[in-house]
Amino acid sequence: GAVVSQHPSRVICKSGTSVKIECRSLDFQATTMFWYRQFPKQSLMLMATSNEGSKATYEQGVEKDKFLINHASLTLSTLTVTSAHPEDSSFYICSASHGAQSNQPQHFGDGTRLSIL
Amino acid sequence: AQSVTQPDIHITVSEGASLELRCNYSYGATPYLFWYVQSPGQGLQLLLKYFSGDTLVQGIKGFEAEFKRSQSSFNLRKPSVHWSDAAEYFCAVAEGYSGAGSYQLTFGKGTKLSVIP
Repeated sequence: GAVVSQHPSRVICKSGTSVKIECRSLDFQATTMFWYRQFPKQSLMLMATSNEGSKATYEQGVEKDKFLINHASLTLSTLTVTSAHPEDSSFYICSASHGAQSNQPQHFGDGTRLSIL
Repeated sequence: AQSVTQPDIHITVSEGASLELRCNYSYGATPYLFWYVQSPGQGLQLLLKYFSGDTLVQGIKGFEAEFKRSQSSFNLRKPSVHWSDAAEYFCAVAEGYSGAGSYQLTFGKGTKLSVIP
């Protein structure tokens, strides 16, 4: 089945550091990738929709200058948390769908646990 | 705006017992519906999906779900629960289907399943 790889799985860093998270579709081309944030014991909240070759679409309340998204190829999207602070600590999950095929579900990465000290 | 409600935050069942997790949605058109499972610290795995056709959908790991338009429900069932089924379960509805395969997911808040040996 379709596989989405997310790296790194866990990051611990100091406040003020910028952190990059990669999301790769391993065996299909993903025209669209999604980035979610999940707080402890809560549901996934969509942060942004990333389309290959164009600017990401951010959900209301998500700072685009804080969470930089790049989708340079059909198999890779990156999320960079710039100048991270403790309140940015969370579980970040990406997903990808087969952009060229209809009725395809989103496939999720295993998530990245980000801890800012 | 569409919404997804999972009324049960936490359910505990004995191993071997049957299971039903409830999901209700609010959506103006015919929805695309999904159930995902999340183990601790992991991403989401798709259990099953409903796009159209037969309203009883079979998924992986012995799960099934039934779409009932009159009740706006998409409940997940399993006849005999195994200890390995203990996890968080999320119901989701898709919106913004573009025909190019991309859409956004709105998730319920999840139901945590505990299994007693």
